[in-house]
Amino acid sequence: GAGVSQSPSNKVTEKGKDVELRCDPISGHTALYWYRQSLGQGLEFLIYFQGNSAPDKSGLPSDRFSAERTGGSVSTLTIQRTQQEDSAVYLCASSPRGWGANEQFFGPGTRLTVL
Amino acid sequence: TQLLEQSPQFLSIQEGENLTVYCNSSSVFSSLQWYRQEPGEGPVLLVTVVTGGEVKKLKRLTFQFGDARKDSSLHITAAQPGDTGLYLCAGVPSGGYQKVTFGTGTKLQVIP
Repeated sequence: GAGVSQSPSNKVTEKGKDVELRCDPISGHTALYWYRQSLGQGLEFLIYFQGNSAPDKSGLPSDRFSAERTGGSVSTLTIQRTQQEDSAVYLCASSPRGWGANEQFFGPGTRLTVL
Repeated sequence: TQLLEQSPQFLSIQEGENLTVYCNSSSVFSSLQWYRQEPGEGPVLLVTVVTGGEVKKLKRLTFQFGDARKDSSLHITAAQPGDTGLYLCAGVPSGGYQKVTFGTGTKLQVIP
C-alpha cells in the first residue's frame, strides 16, 4: 500500500516569501505529526493532529507557522514570511492512533531552503 | 521538557567492527523506540522496548532498555555498509497524553 507522501520534495524560496508544504498520510491513519530536522540531526516536534483537530501545537516556533488538516487526511504546513533560519527538512508522519507506543510512519520529507 | 541525549553524535567505523549507541534521559519512559533514517528518506521504526531490562535482537542489532526505563542502548555486531544511517531513539512518556520525544541522533558511517 501507499506510504506517507510529501510534496514538494525540495523547495527553494526567497526570504520573506510564503511557502506551503503538503502531507498525504496513510489512508485510515487518524494521527498526523509534523517535525523539523536540521542538518541531519534529531527531530523537532512542531504539531500533532488527531483527526482534523490539533490538540498539541506547542512546537510551532512562531506565529509565522500554521498548519491545517482537512477531511481527516491531507495536511498543509504553511510558513509565512520565511526566514533563513527556517531552512530545514520538514517531515510528516502518521500513525493509526494517537500518541503512545504506536509506530509513526514517516514521509520522505520536504527540504526547504530559504535564500 | 523531557530530553533524550544520544552518544556518540557521529561514528565512522570499518566494516566488521562492533559499536554501541547510547540514549540517555533523566526522565522515565513507558517505552522506547529506535528508528533508522537513510539519506533522503524518513525514519523507519526498528524496534520498541517496553519493559525495564528488556533485550530485543534484530539480526545483528541488539537493543536494551535500562532497568529504570530512563535509558537504552543499541549494539551492532559486525557492522555492514548497509547499517549506515542516522539512528534515532524516541521516548514514549507514561501517564496520559504526552508527545513522543526524539533523541539528538547518532550518525553512523560504515566504511567498506
